[in-house]
Amino acid sequence: EDKVVQSPLSLVVHEGDTVTLNCSYEVTNFRSLLWYKQEKKAPTFLFMLTSSGIEKKSGRLSSILDKKELFSILNITATQTGDSAVYLCALKWPGGGADGLTFGKGTHLIIQP
Amino acid sequence: DGGITQSPKYLFRKEGQNVTLSCEQNLNHDAMYWYRQDPGQGLRLIYYSQIVNDFQKGDIAEGYSVSREKKESFPLTVTSAQKNPTAFYLCASSITGANLYGYTFGSGTRLTVV
Repeated sequence: EDKVVQSPLSLVVHEGDTVTLNCSYEVTNFRSLLWYKQEKKAPTFLFMLTSSGIEKKSGRLSSILDKKELFSILNITATQTGDSAVYLCALKWPGGGADGLTFGKGTHLIIQP
Repeated sequence: DGGITQSPKYLFRKEGQNVTLSCEQNLNHDAMYWYRQDPGQGLRLIYYSQIVNDFQKGDIAEGYSVSREKKESFPLTVTSAQKNPTAFYLCASSITGANLYGYTFGSGTRLTVV
């Protein structure tokens, strides 16, 4: 049973479109929810969310957490081909291996020119 | 510069061979982790270690072994008992305690069985 479920698993859009990636989870005793971007190798950190309803923003990317409904979304506006990547959602919680991270399967995003 | 280094980047293994993947960090992090990544499967935890000379099995430890003799180093051995070892392997480290933050990742090792 997956603790972190991401949807969609893959998504193809055209440059300039806006996309919303979803992450739902079952764990309630988590410390933080994190989003990563993975292009070819190591995932790179995007956002860390701990409080419900507070939007984190970085350029064209933004993310928000809903602790009541147990989900988070990652928005990317005015997408560019450089946004093509796998986007990973992860929970930091005591059951995730020594207070480590449990990952979703990721959303593979492809931005077509 | 502080960071986490994995080597080699690419590794080819013949069936029946053991191979060892290296992971070294100079971040003074106590905790280190090994993940396996397959297409469509996300990252799955193999082993983790919170302190030197101690490590714990993750979700998919069968066919793998680790050691943690030094704080900086957490090598992963893929044994011949691992029936499907072809995958991308990521090492990560973090500080321990009730902190909020995630990991620092290495660049990964892509292992292929030939």
